[in-house]
Amino acid sequence: GEDVEQSLFLSVREGDSSVINCTYTDSSSTYLYWYKQEPGAGLQLLTYIFSNMDMKQDQRLTVLLNKKDKHLSLRIADTQTGDSAIYFCAEPGGNDMRFGAGTRLTVKP
Amino acid sequence: DAGVTQSPTHLIKTRGQQVTLRCSPKSGHDTVSWYQQALGQGPQFIFQYYEEEERQRGNFPDRFSGHQFPNYSSELNVNALLLGDSALYLCASSPLAGGQFPDTQYFGPGTRLTVL
Repeated sequence: GEDVEQSLFLSVREGDSSVINCTYTDSSSTYLYWYKQEPGAGLQLLTYIFSNMDMKQDQRLTVLLNKKDKHLSLRIADTQTGDSAIYFCAEPGGNDMRFGAGTRLTVKP
Repeated sequence: DAGVTQSPTHLIKTRGQQVTLRCSPKSGHDTVSWYQQALGQGPQFIFQYYEEEERQRGNFPDRFSGHQFPNYSSELNVNALLLGDSALYLCASSPLAGGQFPDTQYFGPGTRLTVL
């Protein structure tokens, strides 16, 4: 497909793990990114992964990259209510950044 | 270290009017990109400015124009506003080649534009 694709909604219980999935389009992307957007706010760069890596761990966040399938995932361990937000995966497209539609993560206490 | 700043925070205009949005990039960044984020969607690329020139443009009409100043700050202008221009307008800055992650874009808080 032509678009970066994400599932739109994910709901988890506090303390569980969350996994947000993304399919990107350009196999030559150097980096792939995850951004977080809280209500009424701009986008916060959460983490990124270099395309020659399969996995990157950063505290509670784990990014997995499957280049063959152009699949990117973000795992949040021990999900907290403060993690409730919209999560966007993004790939650079030359000078711009292409985004998915975002996955709205809801964390229930 | 100040991040990307944008002004104003909110703006209400009527159809046919013109609007100017402003952005100051993160310290050390010289490239500014503008995005439109409609409700429930991901950001869509409008254009990017570097060295006071428009370097790349997304699929937006000529009603959308911009400017970059010598201090790297930028303006987004939208003429003849339509109801469909209501959105969150995001500015992002990035370092150019020589920075550690030249493709990485850092976003400001956005300007919420409502067109009535």
